Amino acid sequence: SQQGEEDPQALSIQEGENATMNCSYKTSINNLQWYRQNSGRGLVHLILIRSNEREKHSGRLRVTLDTSKKSSSLLITASRAADTASYFCATDYNQGGKLIFGQGTELSVKP
Amino acid sequence: NAGVMQNPRHLVRRRGQEARLRCSPMKGHSHVYWYRQLPEEGLKFMVYLQKENIIDESGMPKERFSAEFPKEGPSILRIQQVVRGDSAAYFCASSPAGGAYEQYFGPGTRLTVT
Repeated sequence: SQQGEEDPQALSIQEGENATMNCSYKTSINNLQWYRQNSGRGLVHLILIRSNEREKHSGRLRVTLDTSKKSSSLLITASRAADTASYFCATDYNQGGKLIFGQGTELSVKP
Repeated sequence: NAGVMQNPRHLVRRRGQEARLRCSPMKGHSHVYWYRQLPEEGLKFMVYLQKENIIDESGMPKERFSAEFPKEGPSILRIQQVVRGDSAAYFCASSPAGGAYEQYFGPGTRLTVT
């Protein structure tokens, strides 16, 4: 299976703290994407990072990509209760479109 | 600027009935993907379509499942003779092109088979 792994599976923090989630993948990629899913809802695209990029920012989000280690991390700074959700990494493994998702990290931010 | 639309949002079917799930992509998007999410699991790819073409159906179960994206109208995921194991959330996503583009997801259809 090409499915990557995410860790931790679950993360519980207090508001204001930073949250870091990690994603590992199996083979070479064009890009890696991060998505958020609130309970019972659809997925929201957060960031796409290409294989020739090492770091990307969007507001309080920072994504890094280390192609030598085949891993990526998502950092959420100054977390808020509204950040409580599941976070998934996904990549198409150069297969032209279909995304392979990790199992996700369930983040709980306590007020 | 409507996003990806899916309907119905909730669908209840008895075992043996047919389920039809619809997806209208974002305006200007001609690439549609279907994914299935079982309880407490991540999303699993099912099928990738362009208008009137199936590009990749490697994730579709061999029997009872079919998908289409006609020239006019929404994409349809059809499940015949549903079984309890088909109960899941089915998500549709669209993108302006294939390959290295972000995909925009609809709210999903939650299918319950009784």
